[in-house]
Amino acid sequence: GENVEQHPSTLSVQEGDSAVIKCTYSDSASNYFPWYKQELGKRPQLIIDIRSNVGEKKDQRIAVTLNKTAKHFSLHITETQPEDSAVYFCAASIVSRDDKIIFGKGTRLHILP
Amino acid sequence: SAVISQKPSRDICQRGTSLTIQCQVDSQVTMMFWYRQQPGQSLTLIATANQGSEATYESGFVIDKFPISRPNLTFSTLTVSNMSPEDSSIYLCSVEQGEQYFGPGTRLTVT
Repeated sequence: GENVEQHPSTLSVQEGDSAVIKCTYSDSASNYFPWYKQELGKRPQLIIDIRSNVGEKKDQRIAVTLNKTAKHFSLHITETQPEDSAVYFCAASIVSRDDKIIFGKGTRLHILP
Repeated sequence: SAVISQKPSRDICQRGTSLTIQCQVDSQVTMMFWYRQQPGQSLTLIATANQGSEATYESGFVIDKFPISRPNLTFSTLTVSNMSPEDSSIYLCSVEQGEQYFGPGTRLTVT
């Protein structure tokens, strides 16, 4: 079955700097890669996603890149702000097969003042 | 976007008992998913529930322990049976509607 590896498990960056979180997936049939942000005590919320026919997607300060050959995708957050502090999960899914989403183990991001 | 509610929001249960968690969606969806999130951990998929058929369970999860019902396209239940302290977790239901939406979760503590 699908397996998603995520690194690092914890990341501390100075406010204003960039943060990068990296993930790899095992099933080459995966074609949908969402990223979720989970604040303490709250449900996961989708922040950006990318499909396998695209190599990069950007939404304001957040971008995701995908390398299908290497089965690798990354989340980039620029100009980090205190409200970016949260746990971030990458995930992978096979759309039109079963749609189930398999999550990475998460990255706890701390934005330092 | 899908609006999902869950009941109960939290519960404290004694070992050996069972708890049924309800998930209600404000629109019809084909598939509903049940996840478990243990403290400080990621989300682990328990099963996928399609209306009109038996749920499909992930490795490590069995129907006797986590029976699921899916009586219609807007509702599902997950029962945690014969609970032990290891079942203490947050249980979330989820639906796919263009993107994956999650319910608020049910925080279960087993004593």
